Amino acid sequence: DGGITQSPKYLFRKEGQNVTLSCEQNLNHDAMYWYRQDPGQGLRLIYYSQIVNDFQKGDIAEGYSVSREKKESFPLTVTSAQKNPTAFYLCASSTSLGRSSDYGYTFGSGTRLTVV
Amino acid sequence: AQTVTQSQPEMSVQEAETVTLSCTYDTSENNYYLFWYKQPPSRQMILVIRQEAYKQQNATENRFSVNFQKAAKSFSLKISDSQLGDTAMYFCAFMIDSGTYKYIFGTGTRLKVLA
Repeated sequence: DGGITQSPKYLFRKEGQNVTLSCEQNLNHDAMYWYRQDPGQGLRLIYYSQIVNDFQKGDIAEGYSVSREKKESFPLTVTSAQKNPTAFYLCASSTSLGRSSDYGYTFGSGTRLTVV
Repeated sequence: AQTVTQSQPEMSVQEAETVTLSCTYDTSENNYYLFWYKQPPSRQMILVIRQEAYKQQNATENRFSVNFQKAAKSFSLKISDSQLGDTAMYFCAFMIDSGTYKYIFGTGTRLKVLA
């Protein structure tokens, strides 16, 4: 079945460490997104990519980095520069073919990151 | 800048009853899309319903329907015959038809269906 796989489900980071969250999709979607979810704040966009080897900053990109070397993969690195990384991270994908009937994200099941 | 506001942080409803979740948004754009997503305790985000702004007819998906008032910039979700499985966080989201396909999400409404 097609879908998005995020791993790991739970991740613990020590102070000063970089950690990478994985996101893989087999939906042949062009666009992929990373969102951060905090209690009471909804979902906020970190980075997004509409095509391989290209990505754009979202609203809260500071302290994060991404790559898009393959259409299927969009990993997110939480760097030591991110001062408050404890949150739930959601990856999503969508087609960008421009047909309104296709609009709508498919989400992964998320990664819970905790700083220890 | 576009914003989405969900003014009800928490709601509850008796099983089999009807509940309406409110959502308002602010934009100067004319072409956009609105969505309601459900996030149950598993935290998997599930698309509930979608509305294109250029369509006057309100979208309906089984027990879920919307009341889309474009002039008032309002997009409420009505859940009929509420079921225990409807217990979840519900997010309203907005997307401009600009080619980037970025969503702007509201802060969510936590809905609890009571037996």
